[in-house]
Amino acid sequence: SQQGEEDPQALSIQEGENATMNCSYKTSINNLQWYRQNSGRGLVHLILIRSNEREKHSGRLRVTLDTSKKSSSLLITASRAADTASYFCATGPTGANNLFFGTGTRLTVIP
Amino acid sequence: DGGITQSPKYLFRKEGQNVTLSCEQNLNHDAMYWYRQDPGQGLRLIYYSQIVNDFQKGDIAEGYSVSREKKESFPLTVTSAQKNPTAFYLCASSNQGTRHGYTFGSGTRLTVV
Repeated sequence: SQQGEEDPQALSIQEGENATMNCSYKTSINNLQWYRQNSGRGLVHLILIRSNEREKHSGRLRVTLDTSKKSSSLLITASRAADTASYFCATGPTGANNLFFGTGTRLTVIP
Repeated sequence: DGGITQSPKYLFRKEGQNVTLSCEQNLNHDAMYWYRQDPGQGLRLIYYSQIVNDFQKGDIAEGYSVSREKKESFPLTVTSAQKNPTAFYLCASSNQGTRHGYTFGSGTRLTVV
């Protein structure tokens, strides 16, 4: 399978703490993207990191990419109850015309 | 406002019926995609289209059909050949394939009754 695998499958933290979730993949990629999904809703694009980038920031989000280990991490700092959602990584493999999504990490932020 | 609209939000299908899920976008995106999501699982690609009048099968195309007669529209038909159609269906669009993020619709929840 070309899908990424997120780890952990579920994560529960207190408001104000940082949340880290990881994504591993199998093929060479052009880019890796992170999405958020609130329960019963569509996915929302959060951030894209290209294969020649190692780190990227957007507000409280920090994404790293290690192409030698075929892995990425998403850090959400100073979490809020509103961050409660499922987070998916998606890879854009080299030569492919579509993204491959992982199985997601379910984040619960306790107020 | 630009966006992607899926309808209906909820759909009930009887055994042996075909049903069509609508997906419309006004973002002027070339590519459109259909994904299926089962409870607690990731997204699996059903079909995608990079250009009008052309589409390709994804990983789980059996029992589904699509058309792309207009750039704005990419309807998905769930046929009676799809034996386990109960799922959450998501439509997405993008500009320049995977080089940018996808924009997703809000989904259609299909239930077989």
